[in-house]
Amino acid sequence: DVKVTQSSRYLVKRTGEKVFLECVQDMDHENMFWYRQDPGLGLRLIYFSYDVKMKEKGDIPEGYSVSREKKERFSLILESASTNQTSMYLCASSPPGPRNQPQHFGDGTRLSIL
Amino acid sequence: AQTVTQSQPEMSVQEAETVTLSCTYDTSESDYYLFWYKQPPSRQMILVIRQEAYKQQNATENRFSVNFQKAAKSFSLKISDSQLGDAAMYFCAYRSGGSGGSNYKLTFGKGTLLTVNP
Repeated sequence: DVKVTQSSRYLVKRTGEKVFLECVQDMDHENMFWYRQDPGLGLRLIYFSYDVKMKEKGDIPEGYSVSREKKERFSLILESASTNQTSMYLCASSPPGPRNQPQHFGDGTRLSIL
Repeated sequence: AQTVTQSQPEMSVQEAETVTLSCTYDTSESDYYLFWYKQPPSRQMILVIRQEAYKQQNATENRFSVNFQKAAKSFSLKISDSQLGDAAMYFCAYRSGGSGGSNYKLTFGKGTLLTVNP
């Protein structure tokens, strides 16, 4: 089975801190994604990457950046955390090829910015 | 841009009964893929069922089936013989059929919270 591992289940940080959320997948997937999930808003795509060192903005990239130096790891960075970035963050990966392949998700990181 | 609408924020069903969750989407594409994901209270999102737009036959996976109406841009999920373990948030998602990296992304609806009553 595909395993997508997010480094923390819960994280509490302070306003203005630089925050790193890490995601690792073990299936050699080319595509990786970061979403945030908020009640009543569903999942919104922040950034995604379809290859090492390649990245594209999603629907809500403001205030975030990403890094993908190795194929298996995709990091989400909050350069200067703000309280409106308190949310659940989900990482996902998917293979290339057949376009009906689903995305595989991690357990999520619930991030609180105080 | 594509949009996905789930008009039922919450639904409830009695155990062993059948429930249908609705999903509509807006797209100008003819080739695309649709998915239903389930997110139980443990939070990991898992795939329930998928449908290719070019297939006329509705997808089924055990107790889960879809009613795919391409012309109406509707993709509802039917859960038969509901079980307590079906209680979760359900998300409908759309993916473009185009090739290339950006076409791997999903557009999600806002979700429907399903409660199963014993």
